[in-house]
Amino acid sequence: NAGVTQTPKFQVLKTGQSMTLQCAQDMNHEYMSWYRQDPGMGLRLIHYSVGAGITDQGEVPNGYNVSRSTTEDFPLRLLSAAPSQTSVYFCASSKGLAGELFFGEGSRLTVL
Amino acid sequence: EDQVTQSPEALRLQEGESSSLNCSYTVSGLRGLFWYRQDPGKGPEFLFTLYSAGEEKEKERLKATLTKKESFLHITAPKPEDSATYLCAVPSNFGNEKLTFGTGTRLTIIP
Repeated sequence: NAGVTQTPKFQVLKTGQSMTLQCAQDMNHEYMSWYRQDPGMGLRLIHYSVGAGITDQGEVPNGYNVSRSTTEDFPLRLLSAAPSQTSVYFCASSKGLAGELFFGEGSRLTVL
Repeated sequence: EDQVTQSPEALRLQEGESSSLNCSYTVSGLRGLFWYRQDPGKGPEFLFTLYSAGEEKEKERLKATLTKKESFLHITAPKPEDSATYLCAVPSNFGNEKLTFGTGTRLTIIP
């Protein structure tokens, strides 16, 4: 099993550009989520989904959109990138709810 | 507001030197406390779930314990491969859909 797969691993954007971070899991998990990790601030929840067609906001949702059309995929869209969105992004999934999460390897985003 | 505080921020130990990491929390009605390990450049890896005061979980050289106000991750006779950042997290809403993470303890084991 591949687990949670994130692409791309690295990305450099210019301010104002848009992009999508991809996340796919092959464990048939209902719960999926996106976190960002910044030095000294820990992991912060951006958006989450408890099943296909259901999404909700986390702690830091501004500037990001998500959708969940299938159980497997949970893409994160940056609408107009800003330098403040420079971070490492992690996608995670779980069979139940938020506690016992399987994380992807992360996507390192730099916005110039 | 629910908070999770981990201490120390960083800890350097000699191989074989046992110690403990602390995770204190302020939540209204704990619905689980979770420990993760994160290696540099990798995503966190789930270690333990604790639900009630007095509960203990063990895995190799790690033992996690829980009281009403805090959790400890005890590391017994650590080896260099135990070097990592250890994170704790608690659910931040009654539906358990959201986790609040601490900032972690960066553990370095010196051979």
